[in-house]
Amino acid sequence: EDQVTQSPEALRLQEGESSSLNCSYTVSGLRGLFWYRQDPGKGPEFLFTLYSAGEEKEKERLKATLTKKESFLHITAPKPEDSATYLCAVQASSGGSYIPTFGRGTSLIVHP
Amino acid sequence: GAGVSQSPRYKVAKRGQDVALRCDPISGHVSLFWYQQALGQGPEFLTYFQNEAQLDKSGLPSDRFFAERPEGSVSTLKIQRTQQEDSAVYLCASSPSSDAGEQYFGPGTRLTVT
Repeated sequence: EDQVTQSPEALRLQEGESSSLNCSYTVSGLRGLFWYRQDPGKGPEFLFTLYSAGEEKEKERLKATLTKKESFLHITAPKPEDSATYLCAVQASSGGSYIPTFGRGTSLIVHP
Repeated sequence: GAGVSQSPRYKVAKRGQDVALRCDPISGHVSLFWYQQALGQGPEFLTYFQNEAQLDKSGLPSDRFFAERPEGSVSTLKIQRTQQEDSAVYLCASSPSSDAGEQYFGPGTRLTVT
């Protein structure tokens, strides 16, 4: 069974204080790992897809990296508007199923 | 362009009532997913369509849950004889590709069963 564990559950940062969120996964062959951002009362918003170990993607203050067992979402010099819940999901390559498995998310609050 | 829309945004149902939740995906998107999200949790898979074909419904909690996408566009999730444990946010997502990797979510329908 595919599993995704995100840590920490909650993170409070001061504006400008860089940090990283972790997503550990167990999957029978990785098709893709996805990061989403979810604001309160809204649906998740797609951020990145990573396909293979060593791959990195960047968008503004966010950079996602991938190893064979985990992914990190690095946030550089965060701003209050980066406050949100960040979700990680994995999609397995075996069995022909396209069902993603989501983690519980990390709730990030950035204080001004 | 227009994103995924869902209606209603909020629904209050009395226990035992039937409800229907609608999803309008992004035009031309092949794949459509329904998820259930409880407070503080990630989305949990319910069912998945590729065009009008329902390819997987293994996540539907019981036979009270039914989903359809008859013309390969709009989808409806129906819950019969609602129970309190059905209270949650129901999310719809669509993807332009058949492998459904990158998904675009609607705002969700918050269902409260009293």
